[in-house]
Amino acid sequence: DAGITQSPRYKITETGRQVTLMCHQTWSHSYMFWYRQDLGHGLRLIYYSAAADITDKGEVPDGYVVSRSKTENFPLTLESATRSQTSVYFCASRRTGLDYQPQHFGDGTRLSIL
Amino acid sequence: DQQVKQNSPSLSVQEGRISILNCDYTNSMFDYFLWYKKYPAEGPTFLISISSIKDKNEDGRFTVFLNKSAKHLSLHIVPSQPGDSAVYFCAAKGGSGGSNYKLTFGKGTLLTVNP
Repeated sequence: DAGITQSPRYKITETGRQVTLMCHQTWSHSYMFWYRQDLGHGLRLIYYSAAADITDKGEVPDGYVVSRSKTENFPLTLESATRSQTSVYFCASRRTGLDYQPQHFGDGTRLSIL
Repeated sequence: DQQVKQNSPSLSVQEGRISILNCDYTNSMFDYFLWYKKYPAEGPTFLISISSIKDKNEDGRFTVFLNKSAKHLSLHIVPSQPGDSAVYFCAAKGGSGGSNYKLTFGKGTLLTVNP
């Protein structure tokens, strides 16, 4: 049971570069989420998706782009990276159900932008 | 405006004693609350949850209490173990604007359990 995996685990890049963080889940969960974790802010939602081809903005979407062509993948792209986007990024997924189902998280990608 | 607040950045307890982590919220539309535990270099792991129609939920050593009138919830860990040392996030679901499946997280509390 692979669950939810993120790649790469660590990434260093330069300002202005495009970088894509990958998220893959094997549960066929409908919902997927991207968060960033910064000191003093906890976890903040960037984008989320309710199903393939359905995405919507979260709390801090500026500078990010997402797509969801397949249920199992939810990549996050920084089109022109800035230093303020240095953070730890977490992907999560959850299934639907009669009762609310909790989100399950990947182990994160630590992104440093120089 | 922070809708979910964990006012204690850190908490230190002795092994075997009770750990109490607190969380306050401001949005009365929240209808479900969760606690996540996070170890360094790992993702958050779901721990326990409670619906707004209940005031207590228990799972082994972990109990969550909800006081809706005070907009306050707490996580009790009894007895505390060194392996419980982690950052604990409080999260809430619900609110306005189609937020029925999004979570709003607090900033987290670092729990240290000393042997």
